[in-house]
Amino acid sequence: GENVEQHLSTLSVQEGDSAVIKCTYSDSASNYFPWYKQELGKRPQLIIDIRSNVGEKKDQRIAVTLNKTAKHFSLHITETQPEDSAVYFCAASYKAAGNKLTFGGGTRVLVKP
Amino acid sequence: EAQVTQNPRYLITVTGKKLTVTCSQNMNHEYMSWYRQDPGLGLRQIYYSMNVEVTDKGDVPEGYKVSRKEKRNFPLILESPSPNQTSLYFCASSPLGGAGGHEQYFGPGTRLTVT
Repeated sequence: GENVEQHLSTLSVQEGDSAVIKCTYSDSASNYFPWYKQELGKRPQLIIDIRSNVGEKKDQRIAVTLNKTAKHFSLHITETQPEDSAVYFCAASYKAAGNKLTFGGGTRVLVKP
Repeated sequence: EAQVTQNPRYLITVTGKKLTVTCSQNMNHEYMSWYRQDPGLGLRQIYYSMNVEVTDKGDVPEGYKVSRKEKRNFPLILESPSPNQTSLYFCASSPLGGAGGHEQYFGPGTRLTVT
């Protein structure tokens, strides 16, 4: 089955700097890659997603890039703000696997003022 | 308001005492799933359901049961809870169809402690 790895368990950045979190996946059949943000004590919520027919997607200060050849995708947060402090989870899925989402282990991002 | 609800939100129980965590969604989603969240391990899928009366095992199904008798409800049953099932549990739902890959909407979570 699919295996998704987030190589950074924690990331500390200065407010205003950029943050990049990278995930790798194992199954070349995966074609949907969402990112979820989980604030302390809250539920995970989707912040951005990308499908395999697209290489990059942006939404204001966040962007996701996908490299299908290398089987990795990354979340980019620019001009970080204190409210960006949270745990971020990447995930991968494909329809033939019943849309099963396989999550990475999560990256805790701390934005220091 | 479109939402996924779970009950109870917090539960402390003892080893071997059967319990049920309820999950309900009002978005008419076909797909529902249960995850457990443990530090450093991310969200691991326990069971999922693609429609009424259709359920399947996820990555960590041992010690759990589910049922899907109605589209909106997907309860998680622990027949004989053990301390290693102490965790934070999330229910989620999403639509199916199309090319696949849809946002999953998560419930608020249930923190379970088994002593």
